Amino acid sequence: QQPVQSPQAVILREGEDAVINCSSSKALYSVHWYRQKHGEAPVFLMILLKGGEQKGHEKISASFNEKKQQSSLYLTASQLSYSGTYFCGTPATLRAGGTSYGKLTFGQGTILTVHP
Amino acid sequence: GAGVSQSPSNKVTEKGKDVELRCDPISGHTALYWYRQSLGQGLEFLIYFQGNSAPDKSGLPSDRFSAERTGGSVSTLTIQRTQQEDSAVYLCASSLQGTGTYEQYFGPGTRLTVT
Repeated sequence: QQPVQSPQAVILREGEDAVINCSSSKALYSVHWYRQKHGEAPVFLMILLKGGEQKGHEKISASFNEKKQQSSLYLTASQLSYSGTYFCGTPATLRAGGTSYGKLTFGQGTILTVHP
Repeated sequence: GAGVSQSPSNKVTEKGKDVELRCDPISGHTALYWYRQSLGQGLEFLIYFQGNSAPDKSGLPSDRFSAERTGGSVSTLTIQRTQQEDSAVYLCASSLQGTGTYEQYFGPGTRLTVT
């Protein structure tokens, strides 16, 4: 099942803040976030793990609510370089309650545009 | 250090021809993934390698698609008898290990156009 992202698109002025949400209908063990600029490959931003551990971009913050099966990405004081499409990805699980592996199912993406 | 590389960067082929897409992962990365991204669409999983084995091939769209990985390194995705619906950007990614707790590093992709 594909995670659902919201909003589908955001337009900001430089310096404004944005929140991008990712919801899943299945239990999550971790959530990945990537950003893709037009014509380029996706770039890793952050992984959020069960228990609160995070790995990733020092200038971007995110949250992970395991019970609600949701994650949010917080972009504060946005810069022009933040423009792009943001994807959340949820890893597959080997079995119910088991460990996850890296096959990612991505959300449909959120297009963020930052204007001067 | 060197990132993930893919070749060719662009491939135009006629319907019915076979194509091979190559991926060189980051050295030491045991896990390798192929994804596909159609125009304006999201990322669709195709296949996952751990070492030279492919524990999950569930995303391959049809038996025209196959992939292999040799020496725990280079991977080749082969599409036989290409169809127009195969047109997409094919992305390869690698990670240090195959669990869901490791970040994936993507290559620049191969843009396949089937005419």
